[in-house]
Amino acid sequence: GAGVSQTPSNKVTEKGKYVELRCDPISGHTALYWYRQSLGQGPEFLIYFQGTGAADDSGLPNDRFFAVRPEGSVSTLKIQRTERGDSAVYLCASSVSMGNEQFFGPGTRLTVL
Amino acid sequence: AQTVTQSQPEMSVQEAETVTLSCTYDTSENNYYLFWYKQPPSRQMILVIRQEAYKQQNATENRFSVNFQKAAKSFSLKISDSQLGDTAMYFCAFMMGTNKLIFGTGTLLAVQP
Repeated sequence: GAGVSQTPSNKVTEKGKYVELRCDPISGHTALYWYRQSLGQGPEFLIYFQGTGAADDSGLPNDRFFAVRPEGSVSTLKIQRTERGDSAVYLCASSVSMGNEQFFGPGTRLTVL
Repeated sequence: AQTVTQSQPEMSVQEAETVTLSCTYDTSENNYYLFWYKQPPSRQMILVIRQEAYKQQNATENRFSVNFQKAAKSFSLKISDSQLGDTAMYFCAFMMGTNKLIFGTGTLLAVQP
């Protein structure tokens, strides 16, 4: 089917606001990953899911960041009380299962003013 | 902790020529995977080539090949017959049992006509 999709493509918000970023993985992919890419840097791991459960959330920077995947497909990354330092491109990837090739979405560019 | 280092922030090559991008990594593990990803301005990360650490033979994908030196912890990418469409950011990445990718800071490759 189609590749990994992410919405919105761009999001501009004000400091202190709440945002949700959505990821639709490739159909049938059980593993889903979130990464954050700051300007001029490589992507940094945030969290990954195997099915509905978060198998590793060690990359979430603090408790303002939270992600869910309630039905084992679509995932939402939630950021509370956004800060200017949260501005980055948030990338989602999925794979058939853990350890297999990760297919990336086009990312959501988040700008916090 | 595992780290990935790309010491060339920018590279330039003439169309049809060959270019080599460098990558070194640090790990105490014996079983892992190494990847090169391409990221054009569209932001979509695309897998270029993959190498399993237990394989001594260097991976090759058409015009792309790697020079994997496990003892030296070096993983360079060679692009032959460079094409204008190869212009992009190239990221070296490492993965082991945790399944999260650890990326370098990237090399911006410009292919000149």
